[in-house]
Amino acid sequence: AQKITQTQPGMFVQEKEAVTLDCTYDTSDPSYGLFWYKQPSSGEMIFLIYQGSYDQQNATEGRYSLNFQKARKSANLVISASQLGDSAMYFCAMWDSNSGYALNFGKGTSLLVTP
Amino acid sequence: GAVVSQHPSWVICKSGTSVKIECRSLDFQATTMFWYRQFPKQSLMLMATSNEGSKATYEQGVEKDKFLINHASLTLSTLTVTSAHPEDSSFYICSASEGTDTGELFFGEGSRLTVL
Repeated sequence: AQKITQTQPGMFVQEKEAVTLDCTYDTSDPSYGLFWYKQPSSGEMIFLIYQGSYDQQNATEGRYSLNFQKARKSANLVISASQLGDSAMYFCAMWDSNSGYALNFGKGTSLLVTP
Repeated sequence: GAVVSQHPSWVICKSGTSVKIECRSLDFQATTMFWYRQFPKQSLMLMATSNEGSKATYEQGVEKDKFLINHASLTLSTLTVTSAHPEDSSFYICSASEGTDTGELFFGEGSRLTVL
């Protein structure tokens, strides 16, 4: 069975600084996908970035990049140049070929960006 | 990206009544939709996988007779919380996949249920 672990319940970062949110995973399936979603206080789930298990390069989307270390089974999210609007819950999630595209989520990290 | 719409956004009901939540894929056909539940300050927990034209698959510990799921068309899935009780108060979120290689899920806005 797959497992997603986010060990940081809460993080603080100053505006314009970079921050790394940790995520480790465990699966026996060689084919899997890793995601990061942002959930502001309104509750909506906002897709940020995706990394496939066979992707050779780390994924990047604007200010978001995913530090994918396959051997260590980690998929950390890096947010560069933090903005006040980045304050939200961040969830790491994954699917594997056994989950039928259903995503399993980590417990989340609450990020607070301070002026 | 694809749009998933969920209705109602919030609902308050009396204990013992039933509540229906709708999830629609607006610009794509979704053969599979997923229903999640999120309690305050917790993560999203998968409740069930909804397949068009067939019975839903429920996760362990989720009562199928209490949480009725109907996926009658390729664009609509409904979740009915039957005989709701205060402990059913939660944030319910549906999602659907376009079936792309990435498996990205598109989420509805969520429905906040409060049972008095």
